[in-house]
Amino acid sequence: DGGITQSPKYLFRKEGQNVTLSCEQNLNHDAMYWYRQDPGQGLRLIYYSQIVNDFQKGDIAEGYSVSREKKESFPLTVTSAQKNPTAFYLCASSRFTTYEQFFGPGTRLTVL
Amino acid sequence: AQTVTQSQPEMSVQEAETVTLSCTYDTSESDYYLFWYKQPPSRQMILVIRQEAYKQQNATENRFSVNFQKAAKSFSLKISDSQLGDAAMYFCAYRTENSGGSNYKLTFGKGTLLTVNP
Repeated sequence: DGGITQSPKYLFRKEGQNVTLSCEQNLNHDAMYWYRQDPGQGLRLIYYSQIVNDFQKGDIAEGYSVSREKKESFPLTVTSAQKNPTAFYLCASSRFTTYEQFFGPGTRLTVL
Repeated sequence: AQTVTQSQPEMSVQEAETVTLSCTYDTSESDYYLFWYKQPPSRQMILVIRQEAYKQQNATENRFSVNFQKAAKSFSLKISDSQLGDAAMYFCAYRTENSGGSNYKLTFGKGTLLTVNP
């Protein structure tokens, strides 16, 4: 089955530590995205990538980093510079020629 | 910048009844796409329905339909014959039709929590 996988489902981090969230898709989609969801805030774009080895900052990129070495993978690193990292993180992908974005199941990150 | 507003933080409906969720948006563009996404308690985002701005006909998907009023910049979602499985957070989203740059991103409203009462 084609789809988007995110791991882990739950992640706990101590303050001052970097942590990497995984996102993999087998839909052969060109574009991939990371969103952050907070209660009452909807979804906000962190980073997006339209092609391998290229990515752009979204609306709230500070304290985050990404890489896109493979078409299928778009990992997100939450660095110690992110002031309030506790949130639900959603990865999405889409084809250039269509406009729907398909979402993974999400990762809940909690900073202890 | 585009903005999406959902004025109803919470709504409730009786099973088998009809409910309408509101969404308004602000844009200076003429070509764009609008979406409704559903997020059930599992938190998986699921596309419910989409509308291209150039189409005058309102989109429908089974029990889900929209009322798209381009001049008023309004995009409401109607759920007919509501079922218990429709209970979820519903998000309205906007995407420009113009290619390039960050134009592939979705701009989301803050959501409406729908409760379905048996």
